[in-house]
Amino acid sequence: EAGVAQSPRYKIIEKRQSVAFWCNPISGHATLYWYQQILGQGPKLLIQFQNNGVVDDSQLPKDRFSAERLKGVDSTLKIQPAKLEDSAVYLCATRREGAVSTDTQYFGPGTRLTVL
Amino acid sequence: AQSVAQPEDQVNVAEGNPLTVKCTYSVSGNPYLFWYVQYPNRGLQFLLKYITGDNLVKGSYGFEAEFNKSQTSFHLKKPSALVSDSALYFCAVRGFNDYKLSFGAGTTVTVRA
Repeated sequence: EAGVAQSPRYKIIEKRQSVAFWCNPISGHATLYWYQQILGQGPKLLIQFQNNGVVDDSQLPKDRFSAERLKGVDSTLKIQPAKLEDSAVYLCATRREGAVSTDTQYFGPGTRLTVL
Repeated sequence: AQSVAQPEDQVNVAEGNPLTVKCTYSVSGNPYLFWYVQYPNRGLQFLLKYITGDNLVKGSYGFEAEFNKSQTSFHLKKPSALVSDSALYFCAVRGFNDYKLSFGAGTTVTVRA
């Protein structure tokens, strides 16, 4: 089966600009996650969707970050306006089952964002 | 709150030697434990997981991990390392009734020829 797809793979913007990332999950996967991975650190959860509903967005900086998952399939993550500290790799991960299952998360290749 | 510690930032081994990457965790209740590997400019790839049952879990690419409840550890092992195993390895934990996966900071493994 095809893996998690993300685009773009790389993005360079100037601070205060806006940017959007796209994620297409593995077919049939109900749960979708967005992570932020800063260089030298492990991934940090930003937001979790189950189908098209938000399960957890407690770590999402809502003054500048937003995410949606229309129709419970593809998802977009937006940053507006970007700050220098937003430079990171943004990872999308998906899982077949719901929130507390033992199923495995599968990750996309990530989008590397550089804010100048 | 759940957390993972990977005490070694870097592990260096010679090809053909055993490889061990250490992980300890803290979680309420029974843990679900995972190992992922990340190659440069790639996403995380799943290696193996412990849910329940046998404490020794076998995964992809010849890796295995041993769950030790008394020591709250889940160390990743490979009997004979390959140069191609050089990568960044992440340990992660979830609680039984939780949905959030918490990652360690990662361990960079370098296998020299």
